[in-house]
Amino acid sequence: GAVVSQHPSRVICKSGTSVKIECRSLDFQATTMFWYRQFPKKSLMLMATSNEGSKATYEQGVEKDKFLINHASLTLSTLTVTSAHPEDSSFYICSATRQGPNIQYFGAGTRLSVL
Amino acid sequence: SQQGEEDPQALSIQEGENATMNCSYKTSINNLQWYRQNSGRGLVHLILIRSNEREKHSGRLRVTLDTSKKSSSLLITASRAADTASYFCATDERSDYKLSFGAGTTVTVRA
Repeated sequence: GAVVSQHPSRVICKSGTSVKIECRSLDFQATTMFWYRQFPKKSLMLMATSNEGSKATYEQGVEKDKFLINHASLTLSTLTVTSAHPEDSSFYICSATRQGPNIQYFGAGTRLSVL
Repeated sequence: SQQGEEDPQALSIQEGENATMNCSYKTSINNLQWYRQNSGRGLVHLILIRSNEREKHSGRLRVTLDTSKKSSSLLITASRAADTASYFCATDERSDYKLSFGAGTTVTVRA
């Protein structure tokens, strides 16, 4: 159990367009979802924490208007990269927690390339 | 914020050998976890050790925790080619479910 699906796995877009990434917990209700960004050969950088029905909590330095997070249900959170620019190109990963030990279950990640 | 720091950054071993990597952290923690990431994929949880535990086993994995030194080690015994991945420690020093990940150790197991 504890499967998290992230879609799409890869997206290539033109500069100035918006891209939406979905994160779904398939077999459990997530208490909290997290969005991370990862640069090549680097660790995960937490962007924001998302809870169903409330506004996301963004980490310092992360632009709220740039990275829109919507948490519509206990199983779905979306990250929209608005007006994407080449510097937004990165690997974005979501995770979810459930009741019990503080273990995060990760999606497979989304490789975003902005041309 | 990044709290854990893994050592070494990279490790190359022969299949069948053991791989050991270390993690150091700065503040008090509730628990420490290890995750594995295959190239271009998400992370997979391996093992969680609580602050009042000193050692934990799971299959070929052995984790130790020394809270006095603020350090942990992950030992993979009898390594296999499929163990090739990056390994991250993550600490839970707060009560808001956030985890702080280290920079990771990249392990390459040669056949």
